[in-house]
Amino acid sequence: DIEMTQSPSTLSAFVGDRVTITCRASQSIGDWVAWYQHKPGKAPKFLMYRASTLESEVPSRFSGSGSGTEFTLTISSLQPDDFATYYCQQYKSNPYTFGQGTKLEIK
Amino acid sequence: EVQLVESGGGLVKPGGSLRLSCAASGFTFESYSMTWVRQVPGKGLEWVSFITSGGGTIYYADSVKGRFTISRDNAKKSLYLEMNSLRADDTAVYYCVRVKGLMVFDNWGQGTLVTVSS
Repeated sequence: DIEMTQSPSTLSAFVGDRVTITCRASQSIGDWVAWYQHKPGKAPKFLMYRASTLESEVPSRFSGSGSGTEFTLTISSLQPDDFATYYCQQYKSNPYTFGQGTKLEIK
Repeated sequence: EVQLVESGGGLVKPGGSLRLSCAASGFTFESYSMTWVRQVPGKGLEWVSFITSGGGTIYYADSVKGRFTISRDNAKKSLYLEMNSLRADDTAVYYCVRVKGLMVFDNWGQGTLVTVSS
């Protein structure tokens, strides 16, 4: 199975900050990575696929990059609505594994 | 608007069974593959099972293989997860999820909680 490891596990930041979350795959997966945002008690929200392609209506302050084994999700200027837990997911091969999550907290 | 509404969760004893349902609306259900993803309380997300639009291809995570069965009824626009031989580590919120393209999960339901406890 492909293991996805996110860092950090928790990130504290101010509104307006630029933040980056890293996701590392245990083997090369090309750019077959998606990112999701999850708030407590709500349905997870799909943000992007193919490592860097934003889903429609996702704000442009979100961006993604990477290929092979290292991927990043960047939020250029944090907004209050962005405080949530973020997950990466690989879809290179079955089973379709997620990272353990990065909780983004307000400082 | 895409809507996915899960039902059927609840408290069940170890070794018991439960059937989850997901009612879909707002899109052409029969054209999309679907999947179930779960989240143990306080933990991360775990993919559980996948079914293609016509039901011809099905996958399971090793942790549920042989115990869970995914199915769908396109006429009723519904997805199901039959769960047998339930264990304490199956306790989780189960999400019904629409699949876009190659196994990305573009629309999620609100989830239904399954608690396995004596």
